[in-house]
Amino acid sequence: DQQVKQNSPSLSVQEGRISILNCDYTNSMFDYFLWYKKYPAEGPTFLISISSIKDKNEDGRFTVFLNKSAKHLSLHIVPSQPGDSAVYFCAASAINTGKLIFGQGTTLQVKP
Amino acid sequence: GAGVSQSPSNKVTEKGKDVELRCDPISGHTALYWYRQRLGQGLEFLIYFQGNSAPDKSGLPSDRFSAERTGESVSTLTIQRTQQEDSAVYLCASSLVGTGAPLHFGNGTRLTVT
Repeated sequence: DQQVKQNSPSLSVQEGRISILNCDYTNSMFDYFLWYKKYPAEGPTFLISISSIKDKNEDGRFTVFLNKSAKHLSLHIVPSQPGDSAVYFCAASAINTGKLIFGQGTTLQVKP
Repeated sequence: GAGVSQSPSNKVTEKGKDVELRCDPISGHTALYWYRQRLGQGLEFLIYFQGNSAPDKSGLPSDRFSAERTGESVSTLTIQRTQQEDSAVYLCASSLVGTGAPLHFGNGTRLTVT
């Protein structure tokens, strides 16, 4: 039972363009969502988060959008840079549980 | 140290042997998590410790897996009678509180069961 799904295993984007990574969830109790970035042989690092009371959160080149009715969130990276090439995981948790559920990840390649 | 530390970084073991993986969380972090990432797959939740509360063990795949945490410090994940399907990267993470705070991950232990 995959509660958090990233249906695109990979994405390739030209440097300077926008990267859009998508994530869907099934559990309506989820109220906190995060995106992590992972390089090979390293642990995931936190990028950006959003709580269910908001529909958008922006931090520099990174913006996360949340559509609660569709149970969908997306991460926009603009402009994309070659150093952004990594695996991106979305994750979600429900209040009072503490347990963070991750998606399968999307490998982003930004071409120079 | 500044971050979450895991040891060993790599472990090769024979099928049927027991292994113990160690995690040193960031000082002061009350919450500690173990995840597993099999080749080509996402992060699979294993277990979560929060302060003195009973741990959430709902992700442990079998009774061969167990984890302990000493107070709010070191945690060990033990896998008994290892099987080839246990081969994965085991990731530990900690956070200041159990909910609403980002997790800080270690670099993981790559376990290979031959």
